[in-house]
Amino acid sequence: GENVEQHPSTLSVQEGDSAVIKCTYSDSASNYFPWYKQELGKRPQLIIDIRSNVGEKKDQRIAVTLNKTAKHFSLHITETQPEDSAVYFCAASKADKLIFGTGTRLQVFP
Amino acid sequence: NAGVTQTPKFQVLKTGQSMTLQCAQDMNHNSMYWYRQDPGMGLRLIYYSASEGTTDKGEVPNGYNVSRLNKREFSLRLESAAPSQTSVYFCASSVDRGDYGYTFGSGTRLTVV
Repeated sequence: GENVEQHPSTLSVQEGDSAVIKCTYSDSASNYFPWYKQELGKRPQLIIDIRSNVGEKKDQRIAVTLNKTAKHFSLHITETQPEDSAVYFCAASKADKLIFGTGTRLQVFP
Repeated sequence: NAGVTQTPKFQVLKTGQSMTLQCAQDMNHNSMYWYRQDPGMGLRLIYYSASEGTTDKGEVPNGYNVSRLNKREFSLRLESAAPSQTSVYFCASSVDRGDYGYTFGSGTRLTVV
């Protein structure tokens, strides 16, 4: 079926620490995996994405890794800052649409 | 370049009233989507249009209808609003289907009393 599982649902870290959010998907045909950040009261915004022919992608303090065999992909945020506090959603492509995970609320404490 | 524009931003309806949420994108995207997001919850797909001239049901289509008016515009209609439809509604567009990231509109906050 259509399913993307995301863990953890909440994550609290100290400023400067790293944060890791993990997702698993069920459809082996999925080949595109974006991550979205949603600040309180705002729209979701694309922060990084990865395609199935790549194992890792970095953009400054954020990185995404993909393990197609295990159907896992993860978001890594290093040197976290208070402005990283938000809800993060992973997603996996399925035919005409994206299937979203249930979200992770990240809180970064100063 | 506005991206995805949704109107209205806020709306209060009485139970049983009808309304149409408007969405327009200026990025020449093929695919458009309507989601609802309840407080503290994730994104649930209501309806989508993979390309101009097609529409399909998503996860929670009951109580809603859609129209893909042209390539730019995709509207969502509530025929008889119910309190359970109180939510934030997001429209999104994609270059083409699920193979590209979505651009989201700023949302419509709907309250049904």
